[in-house]
Amino acid sequence: AQKVTQAQTEISVVEKEDVTLDCVYETRDTTYYLFWYKQPPSGELVFLIRRNSFDEQNEISGRYSWNFQKSTSSFNFTITASQVVDSAVYFCALSEAYTGNQFYFGTGTSLTVIP
Amino acid sequence: EPEVTQTPSHQVTQMGQEVILRCVPISNHLYFYWYRQILGQKVEFLVSFYNNEISEKSEIFDDQFSVERPDGSNFTLKIRSTKLEDSAMYFCASRAQGAGANVLTFGAGSRLTVL
Repeated sequence: AQKVTQAQTEISVVEKEDVTLDCVYETRDTTYYLFWYKQPPSGELVFLIRRNSFDEQNEISGRYSWNFQKSTSSFNFTITASQVVDSAVYFCALSEAYTGNQFYFGTGTSLTVIP
Repeated sequence: EPEVTQTPSHQVTQMGQEVILRCVPISNHLYFYWYRQILGQKVEFLVSFYNNEISEKSEIFDDQFSVERPDGSNFTLKIRSTKLEDSAMYFCASRAQGAGANVLTFGAGSRLTVL
């Protein structure tokens, strides 16, 4: 069965600190996709990144970076030099590769960046 | 940037009433979805729709729910007789067809409050 666990329910950091959001997943599929979505206070879900299970290369996009480790079934997300605008709920999600019909979301991590 | 549009943004209804939530997916997308997020909880899959029929649905999507694509642009979710526990944010999403295309683009959500 597919499952995504985000053990951190709430995190608070002071502006400019780095913060890592953890994501651990379970799947029997050998090919799958992992995602991070951001949900700001306005409520919409904003796509941040997709990673194919065959691609374990870490990715950096500005202040955001992602560490995918298949050996530990983890897909962690780091924000460097956090800003107040980063305050949001962040969801990690998993989908099967071929039909991709269902996304399995974690319970989310609420990040508060204190000015 | 193409987007998924949802209306209404917020609807308040009495228990037992019928509700229709509307979505306009991205125009060249072929797969459509409804997800639900009860306040403070994770985003849960309801149903996926492709080629004018339901391709997958979850246990939540019981006989009270139905979906329709009435005119080639709108994608609707109907709740026949609302219950208190239907109060949630409902997200519509769509995606394109093809390998590597399974990034869901979500709408801003429709908040349903059942009194």
